[in-house]
Amino acid sequence: KQEVTQIPAALSVPEGENLVLNCSFTDSAIYNLQWFRQDPGKGLTSLLLIQSSQREQTSGRLNASLDKSSGRSTLYIAASQPGDSATYLCAVRGGSSNTGKLIFGQGTTLQVKP
Amino acid sequence: DVKVTQSSRYLVKRTGEKVFLECVQDMDHENMFWYRQDPGLGLRLIYFSYDVKMKEKGDIPEGYSVSREKKERFSLILESASTNQTSMYLCASSFRDRANTEAFFGQGTRLTVV
Repeated sequence: KQEVTQIPAALSVPEGENLVLNCSFTDSAIYNLQWFRQDPGKGLTSLLLIQSSQREQTSGRLNASLDKSSGRSTLYIAASQPGDSATYLCAVRGGSSNTGKLIFGQGTTLQVKP
Repeated sequence: DVKVTQSSRYLVKRTGEKVFLECVQDMDHENMFWYRQDPGLGLRLIYFSYDVKMKEKGDIPEGYSVSREKKERFSLILESASTNQTSMYLCASSFRDRANTEAFFGQGTRLTVV
């Protein structure tokens, strides 16, 4: 059964820092991996999607990488801003026994202090 | 602009009531999902549908049922609401066979059972 883990659970950094959020998964036979952002009490907003054949994707200050063989993905946020404060979730689609379900990690709650 | 719309943002129901949560997507997606989100437990999959009238149980289907009579609409039914079903409910949709496309989420329904 696919399991997804995110470390750390919470992170507090001063404004301007570069930071890395980690996501690991147990079954490397995935279709894709998606990073989401969630603001308190709201739904999830898609940030980046990495297909299983890709190594990384970039959008503005965000860069996501994927290493299927080691079962890891990282989300790099450059020059963090207070507006980046939110919970970041990674979700894996697929795996040996999955048919298209999205399996989520617990999330990393980020606070960027002015 | 892609859209997943959940029928209610906030809902208060009494114990024992039958509750319907509705989700509509306008992207012609085959897959639709219902998750619940609780502090410390993350997003847990309740039910998943990969086509009209097709469904699969997720990790926590007990006390819930679903209906998918039309491709664009996926309903979650709480047969007899209980206080332990107080939660945030999130609907999502995605294409079934296109690994390079994202899943999208609705804005969430905060359900309180009293």
